[in-house]
Amino acid sequence: QPVLTQPPSMSGAPGQRVTISCTGSGSNFGTGYDIHWYQQLPGTAPKLLIYDYTDRPSGVPDRFSGSRSGTSASLAISGLQAEDEGTYYCQSYDSSLSGWVFGGGTKLTVL
Amino acid sequence: QVQLVESGGGLVTPGGSLRLSCEASGFTFSDHYMTWIRQAPGKGLEWVSAIGSSGSYISYADSVKGRFTISRDNARNSLFLQMNSLRAEDTAVYYCARRPIYNWNLDYWGQGTLVTVSS
Repeated sequence: QPVLTQPPSMSGAPGQRVTISCTGSGSNFGTGYDIHWYQQLPGTAPKLLIYDYTDRPSGVPDRFSGSRSGTSASLAISGLQAEDEGTYYCQSYDSSLSGWVFGGGTKLTVL
Repeated sequence: QVQLVESGGGLVTPGGSLRLSCEASGFTFSDHYMTWIRQAPGKGLEWVSAIGSSGSYISYADSVKGRFTISRDNARNSLFLQMNSLRAEDTAVYYCARRPIYNWNLDYWGQGTLVTVSS
């Protein structure tokens, strides 16, 4: 059972905005370890999309944005495009496990 | 540019062993923690193991503790994962990934190598 909780699937039409949530516990969210987001397109390796809740690595379009609220984080994708279809994972570090933890992934379908 | 290239995957029978390698280039390998992450077919991401920049820090997921051994050779810019007593549930694509300095995300990933444990 993943330590971080995400909805298993979401969908949206081209041009729409979707928001994916990620909920954690005190041993990850609450101890100074940030949430990061990855995009995994079909057949490819995961790619870092958002780090430290809100920051985008160089080259990531500003259609992708992150936010935090208490023990949850969200990834928003605006102006949805067909090439955004894939699976999105949140990730943190869990001090009680001494390891990296991931959400179960949210499969995004662009209708 | 940063590159991570895994190798060593393949088909192995239950109880067998396999050694994965990850060759790094484009950055100062000895400055970074490195990790192994795996993904079973059709499933999500699972952290497997991590090693500190000098090799003195090592951690494992409970699912592989006692069976897998992570190591690195900074002179050869290489990361390794020795996998023993393999089980069917170890079948997955194994990725090596870099932890950036002063952060706990994973900023670069290799393309992955498939390990299949089956009789």
